[in-house]
Parts: sequence; C-alpha cells; structure tokens
Amino acid sequence: GDSVTQMEGPVTLSEEAFLTINCTYTATGYPSLFWYVQYPGEGLQLLLKATKADDKGSNKGFEATYRKETTSFHLEKGSVQVSDSAVYFCARGGGFKTIFGAGTRLFVKA
Amino acid sequence: DVKVTQSSRYLVKRTGEKVFLECVQDMDHENMFWYRQDPGLGLRLIYFSYDVKMKEKGDIPEGYSVSREKKERFSLILESASTNQTSMYLCASRPQEYTREQYFGPGTRLTVT
Repeated sequence: GDSVTQMEGPVTLSEEAFLTINCTYTATGYPSLFWYVQYPGEGLQLLLKATKADDKGSNKGFEATYRKETTSFHLEKGSVQVSDSAVYFCARGGGFKTIFGAGTRLFVKA
Repeated sequence: DVKVTQSSRYLVKRTGEKVFLECVQDMDHENMFWYRQDPGLGLRLIYFSYDVKMKEKGDIPEGYSVSREKKERFSLILESASTNQTSMYLCASRPQEYTREQYFGPGTRLTVT
C-alpha cells in the first residue's frame, strides 16, 4: 500500500546549522504532500505543503520541493534555531486518508 | 483561524471504564479524524467521518467506537478502557477537498490504570 518513509531521529544540531530531513513516498497518481510540525505538548500544525510536481512549499525559513521523479519531499532549512526543536512529520494526501511518516525529532542546541 | 478543541488535555481512567473523548471544530469542515500517537509508531488512524452520521474504520478501530451527530462534533468512545489504550489521542478536521491539509486539536493524553 501507499506509504511515507522519513529519516529516523533524533537529529541533533547546533544553532545556525543546516537542516535536512529526508522524506520519500509511494503513491499512485499525484498526491498532495505536507510537512507538519509538533511542538512539545501540542497537536500537529501544518508547516508547508505542495500540491503538484516541482512545486516548492515554504514557511518560516523551511522549504521542500515536490520531486515526482524521485518521489521525495525533503525538508530543508538553512539556519536552525533553538525554537525549531520539535517533531516533524512528512505526509501525503490526495485521497480521503492522509498517510503520515513516523516523525523525526529535532533537537537544536544553543 | 480554524480551531479544533478537545475536551481534556489529560485524563486518567481505570480499566473497564467507559471513556468519552470529545472533539469540536468551528470551521464547518466535512471530514473529521481520530488518531492515536505512540512513541515510535507515529500517527495511526482509528476512525474517520466524511459527514454527519457517517463513519468509517481506520487502521486500528478495535476497542473504539465513534459518534458524529452534529457536523462540528466528533466523539471517540472507549467502551471498556484497557491499559493498552494509554496513549495520546489527536483529533483533526479537514474540508472536503482531499488536497487540503488537516487541522489538529491539542491532543488528549489518556492514561488507563
């Protein structure tokens, strides 16, 4: 069946380091792709999304590009901050159910 | 802003009790979802509803039931709580269009003792 695979965490970075969290998906057709973020003690909230191939989603300095040829939607940020410490979920939509990855926990040290 | 609220942030229940978790959304969304979140397992879909009085089983429906009598409210029911149902429960809503994102509540951390 359809699935989303993202890199295992935790990922630990120093402030101002470059961040990449890999995400690949399997799906028929052209799903919508999402990154959600979950801060401690909260529910998930949308970070960014892309609805078609080659679209780039961006928000709060984070970016991800919908790559149909590699079925990937990697999350990147050029300079992380301590406040970016959270769990990040890659997800694919396009059907009634949204398929979520397992989540990647990010720790950013000052 | 879309707001999804859940009735409790923390709940402690005893084995065998009937437990109700309530979720309310204020944006007239057709679709609503219940997930549980456990360490290392990500989010797992318990039940979803695509409209009032309509419900479908998700990936792990055993031990749960749901009710959606009004569009804005989606309730998750644990008929007889067990310790393996100790978890974080997340409710979400979404408009009818499948390309749209889901909006999540803050979660209910349920402990069954």
